[in-house]
Amino acid sequence: KNEVEQSPQNLTAQEGEFITINCSYSVGISALHWLQQHPGGGIVSLFMLSSGKKKHGRLIATINIQEKHSSLHITASHPRDSAVYICAPRSYNTDKLIFGTGTRLQVFP
Amino acid sequence: DTAVSQTPKYLVTQMGNDKSIKCEQNLGHDTMYWYKQDSKKFLKIMFSYNNKELIINETVPNRFSPKSPDKAHLNLHINSLELGDSAVYFCASSPNMGSNQPQHFGDGTRLSIL
Repeated sequence: KNEVEQSPQNLTAQEGEFITINCSYSVGISALHWLQQHPGGGIVSLFMLSSGKKKHGRLIATINIQEKHSSLHITASHPRDSAVYICAPRSYNTDKLIFGTGTRLQVFP
Repeated sequence: DTAVSQTPKYLVTQMGNDKSIKCEQNLGHDTMYWYKQDSKKFLKIMFSYNNKELIINETVPNRFSPKSPDKAHLNLHINSLELGDSAVYFCASSPNMGSNQPQHFGDGTRLSIL
């Protein structure tokens, strides 16, 4: 079993829909990244959080440390949100990022 | 200005060759990383350096040798390239180890071995 599990693996949505991507992990962590990778390949860090909730524009990330679970929400989704979203907790013991397999999101107009 | 820049963006070479990928960050960060993304798009850490000192060395063949001449640069040299080395290599930086600030990633170097 992977240390980091994301669901769903693939997600298709119509423009305007509310999107949720889930991440569960089994290791002790000090923080968690949500990353976005566009088809062109570049990686951008959307959020880094260690507790509670963060919001940036239409994006919201939440984390529950006790339940070892994080979610990324996109409100009013847009075709430009189409990308792979990767959950990457940082191990408390080793300080290394452990990457999920990613969720491929496609938003259609 | 690009925060983390990698060169080259694409690298096509033959098996057995030696090649280098360069990475520079202008953010004043102390910590830099190399990650490998395989054909299934799975990312994994290879190395991290903090202020020119090797901190993390994942189980990477010793054909891969990182070099950090100063804390703004972390280059990756690969000897005797093999087919399995084909991947996208990402450089990243963060203010320091255990920082609460997110990592900044370069655009990646796509390495193809013929």
